[in-house]
Amino acid sequence: NAGVMQNPRHLVRRRGQEARLRCSPMKGHSHVYWYRQLPEEGLKFMVYLQKENIIDESGMPKERFSAEFPKEGPSILRIQQVVRGDSAAYFCASSPPGQGGTSTQYFGPGTRLTVL
Amino acid sequence: AQSVTQLDSQVPVFEEAPVELRCNYSSSVSVYLFWYVQYPNQGLQLLLKYLSGSTLVKGINGFEAEFNKSQTSFHLRKPSVHISDTAEYFCAVTLAGGFKTIFGAGTRLFVKA
Repeated sequence: NAGVMQNPRHLVRRRGQEARLRCSPMKGHSHVYWYRQLPEEGLKFMVYLQKENIIDESGMPKERFSAEFPKEGPSILRIQQVVRGDSAAYFCASSPPGQGGTSTQYFGPGTRLTVL
Repeated sequence: AQSVTQLDSQVPVFEEAPVELRCNYSSSVSVYLFWYVQYPNQGLQLLLKYLSGSTLVKGINGFEAEFNKSQTSFHLRKPSVHISDTAEYFCAVTLAGGFKTIFGAGTRLFVKA
């Protein structure tokens, strides 16, 4: 059973460009979480999605950031018009359905975004 | 609002010595508690979790943690560390009945030979 997959592992963008980060959850998992990790800091919750639904996006910046988890295909975190402050590691995690907050979240290896 | 405080940003320790990584949380409602480990350039891996029941929880790699409700703490311990335990350790809480997980800032454990 493959783990959580994220791609690309490293992404370099110039200011003003768009960044698209992909996350494929573990097989059988229908819940996806996105986190951002700034250097020397812990993970900050961004958004929690189930298939075709955003459940909690309280950690998402109000502008330029969006996330989706379509019925088919990976979850996408999209950052428009990137700025240097967006440089960070972005982690995706997935969990199986039906276990609520007790679920173990399985993390992907992360995408390291560098904005020049 | 919930918060998680990891009291030590870095903990150096010699191989085969015991270690304790401290974690305190604040919440007005019941929470579930987790410890994760992150090796360099990798994602997080669950070490252990407390949901209910016995306050002493045993996890992988010989780690254990004790939930103390009165002190709102969930400290992680290992009686004898190995070089391979060098990593960053994160304490996290999730509200009971919720999904949002709050992480501490992390503690970097450095095991020296």
